[in-house]
Amino acid sequence: AQSVTQLDSHVSVSEGTPVLLRCNYSSSYSPSLFWYVQHPNKGLQLLLKYTSAATLVKGINGFEAEFKKSETSFHLTKPSAHMSDAAEYFCVVSDQGSGNTGKLIFGQGTTLQVKP
Amino acid sequence: DVKVTQSSRYLVKRTGEKVFLECVQDMDHENMFWYRQDPGLGLRLIYFSYDVKMKEKGDIPEGYSVSREKKERFSLILESASTNQTSMYLCASWGGRVLTSPLHFGNGTRLTVT
Repeated sequence: AQSVTQLDSHVSVSEGTPVLLRCNYSSSYSPSLFWYVQHPNKGLQLLLKYTSAATLVKGINGFEAEFKKSETSFHLTKPSAHMSDAAEYFCVVSDQGSGNTGKLIFGQGTTLQVKP
Repeated sequence: DVKVTQSSRYLVKRTGEKVFLECVQDMDHENMFWYRQDPGLGLRLIYFSYDVKMKEKGDIPEGYSVSREKKERFSLILESASTNQTSMYLCASWGGRVLTSPLHFGNGTRLTVT
C-alpha cells in the first residue's frame, strides 16, 4: 500500500528565513510524488513533481524538493520565505495500485505561517 | 489553461435535504474526481469517473452518489444531507497519459449542513 506522511501539521517561519516542510512516503512502486499548494479560499495548485529524471526538483515560486530513496523522503524547501507563501501544502503520491487513473493519495497537509 | 469550475462557492443546507454539487471542466478530460477536505485529514477521495456514465467508489463513498452524463460535467449528490457532511468539497480533472500528469482543481465548494 502507498501512503504519505507529513511530519508537521503547522510550521511557522519569519519572512526571509528558510522553509522546510517534511514528507515521508511509503510505496512498493517507484513513486510519482507531488507537492500541491492551497492558498486561502482557493483550489489546489501544483507546486512541483518528481518524475525520476532528477532527484532535485525545482518548482514554482522558488520552491524545490529533493527525492531521497534511502530515506523515503520528499521534503519541500525554499531558501527565503515570503509573506505570500502562507498557505497549506500537501505532499501527494500517485496511487499506482489502481493503474493509470490519476488517483492521488494525499498527506494530511502542513499549514505554513509566515510572520513579518 | 485547464479550467475546472464548481458552480457554488458556499452552500448552506438543512439536514435531510438532497444536495447537488456541480463541476465542469473545459479540457475534454476523461477522468474527474470528487474529494472532501477536512482539517488534519488532507483530501479524501469520494468518487471518481473515468468516462461518461462510468464511476468508481473512492475511499469514503458512503452517503454520496455521482452522475456523469456528459464528459465535461461531474456532479456529486448528497442523497440526504447530514451534519457530518459539512466540509469543503473539491472537484478535479485529469487528462494525462502518465502518472506524473497533474490534477487540475476547482476552487472548492464549502458546504454547511445545519
